[in-house]
Amino acid sequence: LAKTTQPISMDSYEGQEVNITCSHNNIATNDYITWYQQFPSQGPRFIIQGYKTKVTNEVASLFIPADRKSSTLSLPRVSLSDTAVYYCLVGPPSGNTPLVFGKGTRLSVIA
Amino acid sequence: DAEITQSPRHKITETGRQVTLACHQTWNHNNMFWYRQDLGHGLRLIHYSYGVQDTNKGEVSDGYSVSRSNTEDLPLTLESAASSQTSVYFCASRSGTSGNGEQFFGPGTRLTVL
Repeated sequence: LAKTTQPISMDSYEGQEVNITCSHNNIATNDYITWYQQFPSQGPRFIIQGYKTKVTNEVASLFIPADRKSSTLSLPRVSLSDTAVYYCLVGPPSGNTPLVFGKGTRLSVIA
Repeated sequence: DAEITQSPRHKITETGRQVTLACHQTWNHNNMFWYRQDLGHGLRLIHYSYGVQDTNKGEVSDGYSVSRSNTEDLPLTLESAASSQTSVYFCASRSGTSGNGEQFFGPGTRLTVL
């Protein structure tokens, strides 16, 4: 799996938009970019996945530039409940390769 | 609804004892994984399985073993528990052959080795 780099931590106030960028310079042609969210005392959960351009769902948006060497997870108008660790993973969307989680980005939302 | 469960949720044991953590999934997924999570280390892969009778070592497999006798279960055994194995353990499952490869995690087991 391609190596990813993301900030260790970020702080934000409630109501702000938060953008977390992930670098993945060695992304392969068939790799997708997937983000997981982990709340305290819970297992990670899938939030969004994309291959190129922009993907949006009810939780977040994912922006991927044409060269695909980085991606940005965007959380609109965060609330205290968005405080979590966010993991960026790069790899084939299915298949038998184990998912390798880095340390993620710890987002703290402040009132 | 399909789910993945772990038991026990909390366990305290003594150094040297054998401990088994259970993981059960009803997704009918072929792929199952065990991770441990410690402060400052994120999630680290211990063992994984791609199907019945298949097991593979992850990056931190020393002192742990797994067995896969059916699709639904992947128990994790600590042969002789050590204080360094105090951690939160997460089990996960994933289809491996279809969909977006979403991996589903259990609620975790907090293990303390005294």
